[in-house]
Amino acid sequence: DGGITQSPKYLFRKEGQNVTLSCEQNLNHDAMYWYRQDPGQGLRLIYYSQIVNDFQKGDIAEGYSVSREKKESFPLTVTSAQKNPTAFYLCASSYPGTASVEAFFGQGTRLTVV
Amino acid sequence: GQQLNQSPQSMFIQEGEDVSMNCTSSSIFNTWLWYKQDPGEGPVLLIALYKAGELTSNGRLTAQFGITRKDSFLNISASIPSDVGIYFCAGLTNQGGKLIFGQGTELSVKP
Repeated sequence: DGGITQSPKYLFRKEGQNVTLSCEQNLNHDAMYWYRQDPGQGLRLIYYSQIVNDFQKGDIAEGYSVSREKKESFPLTVTSAQKNPTAFYLCASSYPGTASVEAFFGQGTRLTVV
Repeated sequence: GQQLNQSPQSMFIQEGEDVSMNCTSSSIFNTWLWYKQDPGEGPVLLIALYKAGELTSNGRLTAQFGITRKDSFLNISASIPSDVGIYFCAGLTNQGGKLIFGQGTELSVKP
């Protein structure tokens, strides 16, 4: 089945450690996005990528890094510079620039700093 | 940066009632999307709107793309308990394909 997969679903990190969240899609979508969701809050854009080997900062990129070496993959690294990393992280993908630009989401990764 | 203002923040309704929520912005968007999120899950796409003035239905859900391209609304008719969740609007900008979300409307339905 085609879809977008995030892993792991739950992740625990010690303070001061970097951690990488995985996002893989087999929908042949060009665009991919990372969002952060805090309890009772909306989705805030961290990074997005329209094509392979290119990405742009969203509204809250500080303390995060991404790469887009393959069309199917858009991993997000939460670095030790992110002061409040505990949140629910959502990855999405879409076809930009065509008649159909619906974005589809993965199931999310809940990151907890311990 | 660009922002979407979604209202209301929360709604408590009786089963069978109709619901309306909306999103507004000072910026123009090329596409409006409406999502529903269940607790601990990723949002699921409900309706996509591509043209100003477009009115689209999906079962009991109806959404419209505002003529000014700066707003959109979502209506749910004859609500049922499984409509409970958080509803988000999202707008796709015409600059670089940035997808921005509203703050969400949390819907509670009393049987």
